[in-house]
Amino acid sequence: EIVLTQSPATLSLSPGERATLSCRASQSVSTYLAWYQQKPGQAPRLLIYDASYRATGIPARFSGSGSGTDFTLTISSLEPEDFAVYYCQQRSNWAITFGQGTRLEI
Amino acid sequence: EVQLLESGGGLVQPGGSLRLSCAASGFTFSSYAMSWVRQAPGKGLEWVSTISGSGTDTYYADSMKGRFTISRDSSMNMLYLQMNSLRAEDTAVYYCAKGRHGTSGFCDYWGQGALVTVSS
Repeated sequence: EIVLTQSPATLSLSPGERATLSCRASQSVSTYLAWYQQKPGQAPRLLIYDASYRATGIPARFSGSGSGTDFTLTISSLEPEDFAVYYCQQRSNWAITFGQGTRLEI
Repeated sequence: EVQLLESGGGLVQPGGSLRLSCAASGFTFSSYAMSWVRQAPGKGLEWVSTISGSGTDTYYADSMKGRFTISRDSSMNMLYLQMNSLRAEDTAVYYCAKGRHGTSGFCDYWGQGALVTVSS
C-alpha cells in the first residue's frame, strides 16, 4: 500500500497569505495524484487532478505541482472560504489511498 | 446538473448486512467510473471501492475485499454497495462519487453521504 504523508498537520495563516501544503508518497505515483478540499459537514471537493490540472470551476489561486513522490498544493492568496481540510489522494495500480489531511486554519 | 443521492444508511448490528444505493443524474452514467469513499466520525477519507463505467472492472480496498461488493445498473442510473459481515470499524459516512472519466479513481462530484452505524 502506498502511504501518503501530508505536512504540516495544521497550517495557521491569514487571509491574503500564501499557503503551501505538502504530500509525500512512500513510492512513486507518477502524476496520479489529486487534491481535495473539505469543509465541516460537507462532501469533499476536487481541486487538482493528475498533480497539476485544476478541476472545473476551481479558482486560479489554487495550483498543484510535483511528480514521483513529492507534491505541493499552493494557494497563492488565501480567501476566507479557503480555510478547510485538504487531502491528497493517489490512484496508482488501483490501490487508492488518501493522506491524513492538512487543516488550514485562520 | 450532476446529482448524486445516497440512501440505505442506518444502524446495523455487528455481523449484519446493509446495501447502500446511489441515484445518479445529470450525466451519462455509463460513461463514468463510480466510487464509494467513507469517512469515520472525526477522521479522514478512506477509499472503499471503484467500478468502471462499463461495469466490467471493480476494485476494492484490502480491508473491504470479500465483504463488500460494488455494482451498478446503468439502465436505472444506480450505484450500489452491498456490505456484509459489518464491524464496528465500518461505522462511517459513505460517499458516492463520480469519476472524472470511465476508468478514473479521481472523483469530481460527490453525494452528501449516508451514515452507517455498526453497533449492538
